[in-house]
Amino acid sequence: QVKLQQSGAELVKPGASVKLSCKTSGYTFSTSYMSWFKQIPGQSIEWIGMIYAGDGGTGYNQKFKGKATLTVDTSSSTAYMDLSSLTTEDSAVYFCARFGQVQLFYVMDAWGQGASVTVSS
Amino acid sequence: DIQMTQSPSFLSASVGERVTLSCKASQNINKYLDWYQQKLGEAPKLLIYNTNNLHTGIPSRFSGSGSGTDYTLTISSLQPEDVATYFCLQRNSWPWTFGGGTKLELK
Repeated sequence: QVKLQQSGAELVKPGASVKLSCKTSGYTFSTSYMSWFKQIPGQSIEWIGMIYAGDGGTGYNQKFKGKATLTVDTSSSTAYMDLSSLTTEDSAVYFCARFGQVQLFYVMDAWGQGASVTVSS
Repeated sequence: DIQMTQSPSFLSASVGERVTLSCKASQNINKYLDWYQQKLGEAPKLLIYNTNNLHTGIPSRFSGSGSGTDYTLTISSLQPEDVATYFCLQRNSWPWTFGGGTKLELK
């Protein structure tokens, strides 16, 4: 079955960068889309952006341009998200989710378990 | 950006009760509306996609409806395992945006 396994919790200092991973299995990664999301605990969810593993093409929420960079490694079926110049406002749980085809539609039908990022000195 | 407003923010209901959650978009989203259930400490789980399509494995007590700017998630008979926060998501245009959520608890 489709599985998305995210990397573990991160504690990072302000100004630093962090790279989160999302390792997939159970489907053809190289022709799929992956979306990333941010959720501050107790709050709603924000869409960060999406990447197509076939050619690395990306689309970002304007709010996260310059903050997040999405990449993929098709040889390991893994998606990555780099977060740069971290501040306390970046402390959140980050989710990856497959944007896959269900019947005639594309939806986020499988999610990673989430990765907590805490930015603190 | 399209603003999504969910109501109520908090709902307390009894087991077996019919529950209706609402989601209103700031503009027409052409039925590109999904519903997610999120339990504490877990990832969101897709319930309904494109307004009224029940995702695989989701109990039939969940249903969705709506059009234009107004959408509804209905639980026909509330079960204890339905305690969670429910989010709507519009995918009509980028950036995709979520509602603020409805927290559903048992009375």
